[in-house]
Amino acid sequence: DAGVIQSPRHEVTEMGQEVTLRCKPISGHNSLFWYRQTMMRGLELLIYFNNNVPIDDSGMPEDRFSAKMPNASFSTLKIQPSEPRDSAVYFCASRPDRKNSPLHFGNGTRLTVT
Amino acid sequence: GDSVTQMEGPVTLSEEAFLTINCTYTATGYPSLFWYVQYPGEGLQLLLKATKADDKGSNKGFEATYRKETTSFHLEKGSVQVSDSAVYFCALPGAQKLVFGQGTRLTINP
Repeated sequence: DAGVIQSPRHEVTEMGQEVTLRCKPISGHNSLFWYRQTMMRGLELLIYFNNNVPIDDSGMPEDRFSAKMPNASFSTLKIQPSEPRDSAVYFCASRPDRKNSPLHFGNGTRLTVT
Repeated sequence: GDSVTQMEGPVTLSEEAFLTINCTYTATGYPSLFWYVQYPGEGLQLLLKATKADDKGSNKGFEATYRKETTSFHLEKGSVQVSDSAVYFCALPGAQKLVFGQGTRLTINP
């Protein structure tokens, strides 16, 4: 089991640029979650998918953020255009649909927007 | 709705001290309860879990007991090490998504 795989581990970009973060969930996990973590706000749920369908995107901060899950083994989180306040660590996590199953997290992407 | 409340941090202890991080919850029914740990530069990883009332989860010297009467799941360790320095999150599975506490930052000094 390779775990949840995120790429890149680090991303540094200039304000106004497009940023795409990638995630490969654990095979067989039906639900996928995108989180953002900052010192000020802690861990925030941005969006989650179940069986590739977005279920709740109420945590997405604004229209500059979008997420897709074209198939069961891949998801992207895109920020366009990026702003300095988007600097954070972004985590992807997945879990199977079994009742009370825990989340499995990737190691995150540290995004710095200058 | 479901919620989790953790003790405020940060917590700073000396090596070999006794640790308690409080966690209380509000939930419909009797869900499983989890403790996650996040080491510097890493994602959250499951530390331990308990699936029903009076269960005790344990791992790496940490323990937590699912107390239905007090709706609590406090994390304890008898003798902490410098390597236990991390952020600890209490969590429960909500209707569809995990509900996390705000996290408690623990620093252990040698």
